[in-house]
Amino acid sequence: SQKIEQNSEALNIQEGKTATLTCNYTNYSPAYLQWYRQDPGRGPVFLLLIRENEKEKRKERLKVTFDTTLKQSLFHITASQPADSATYLCARGGNSGNTPLVFGKGTRLSVIA
Amino acid sequence: DTAVSQTPKYLVTQMGNDKSIKCEQNLGHDTMYWYKQDSKKFLKIMFSYNNKELIINETVPNRFSPKSPDKAHLNLHINSLELGDSAVYFCASSPPGEGNQPQHFGDGTRLSIL
Repeated sequence: SQKIEQNSEALNIQEGKTATLTCNYTNYSPAYLQWYRQDPGRGPVFLLLIRENEKEKRKERLKVTFDTTLKQSLFHITASQPADSATYLCARGGNSGNTPLVFGKGTRLSVIA
Repeated sequence: DTAVSQTPKYLVTQMGNDKSIKCEQNLGHDTMYWYKQDSKKFLKIMFSYNNKELIINETVPNRFSPKSPDKAHLNLHINSLELGDSAVYFCASSPPGEGNQPQHFGDGTRLSIL
């Protein structure tokens, strides 16, 4: 079965730098990948969705890429700020609107001032 | 104007008891879900409902019984609670539409079994 892997449990980065988080998948390419942010004691909040046939998606300081050759999605936060500190979750979705998500374990990002 | 709300936020109870968690969404979505986040923070699907009908049951023990009285509500009843049920339970919803849709999550119910 397909797995979503976020191999970095934690990432520390200096304020102002670009944070890059990695999400790998096994076996076949998912039709969609989604990225969520989760703060302590809160539910995940949707950030970006990228389709298999899209190479890149941007939203303000956020950028997501999808590389089917490497079986990998990268999530970038440019000009990172301490307020960006949170756990970031990668998830794969199916082809329909009501397919449950399969999540990776998440990467805890700490942006140090 | 909370989009997905769950009650209670915290639930502490003894092993063997029966408890319920309620979830409501005011987004007009057709599909609702229950996810479980264990102590290792791994978020895993339990159930999904579409327009009050069960679509997915991910090999969850039958001590867990979801109920959807209408498409805005999805409650979770748990019988004979066990120590391993301790976790954070998240309710979520998603709109209809072609292709994968973003999901909206509640803030979770932290269940602790003594």
